[in-house]
Amino acid sequence: AAGVIQSPRHLIKEKRETATLKCYPIPRHDTVYWYQQGPGQDPQFLISFYEKMQSDKGSIPDRFSAQQFSDYHSELNMSSLELGDSALYFCASSLASGTEARGAGNTIYFGEGSWLTVV
Amino acid sequence: AQKITQTQPGMFVQEKEAVTLDCTYDTSDPSYGLFWYKQPSSGEMIFLIYQGSYDQQNATEGRYSLNFQKARKSANLVISASQLGDSAMYFCAMREGMLGNFNKFYFGSGTKLNVKP
Repeated sequence: AAGVIQSPRHLIKEKRETATLKCYPIPRHDTVYWYQQGPGQDPQFLISFYEKMQSDKGSIPDRFSAQQFSDYHSELNMSSLELGDSALYFCASSLASGTEARGAGNTIYFGEGSWLTVV
Repeated sequence: AQKITQTQPGMFVQEKEAVTLDCTYDTSDPSYGLFWYKQPSSGEMIFLIYQGSYDQQNATEGRYSLNFQKARKSANLVISASQLGDSAMYFCAMREGMLGNFNKFYFGSGTKLNVKP
């Protein structure tokens, strides 16, 4: 079965540079989430999109922006990178629960993550 | 208040034994889902098991089962017959607002499980 696809898997950038992460959700999933996981930490919610519109916002820095495109893929843009941005970035996708209120269809599936190292 | 609490930062278990990873949650939403994910050292987040707030029976998936005690707001993961490959970080998570379109999804701080040969 198709899973959430993230690219690139690994990325090394210098301070103050810009990085873009891409995410292709599971087909027919209409909700995309972005998470940031620092070393030894639990994933922190950044932002989510439902049907190409921002649905929720977490602890996303102003230097970051994201969008979901007409084909449902999403991109996370990070500018003026700082050393503290080094982390594992996850994209996840799911069906909005309004479509299927119960059952394991509400599961959120994660991609393999994109490792960003800022040097 | 913490939405998801995992009180065991680290656990050891002998290979082939069962182990229980604790998770308690806090919500006033009558409709929610509880999830467990496994994160090996390679980093990917692997979905293990799901329990809905309306489900009458505990969820099971192979060697994984979820001990769901709604009144206590606990959703412990039980891994039977532990294998060396089970060594990983395990996250409990909750999704609120199951009947709405814009859901919030919360993670616990994780439990690092080490399986000893």
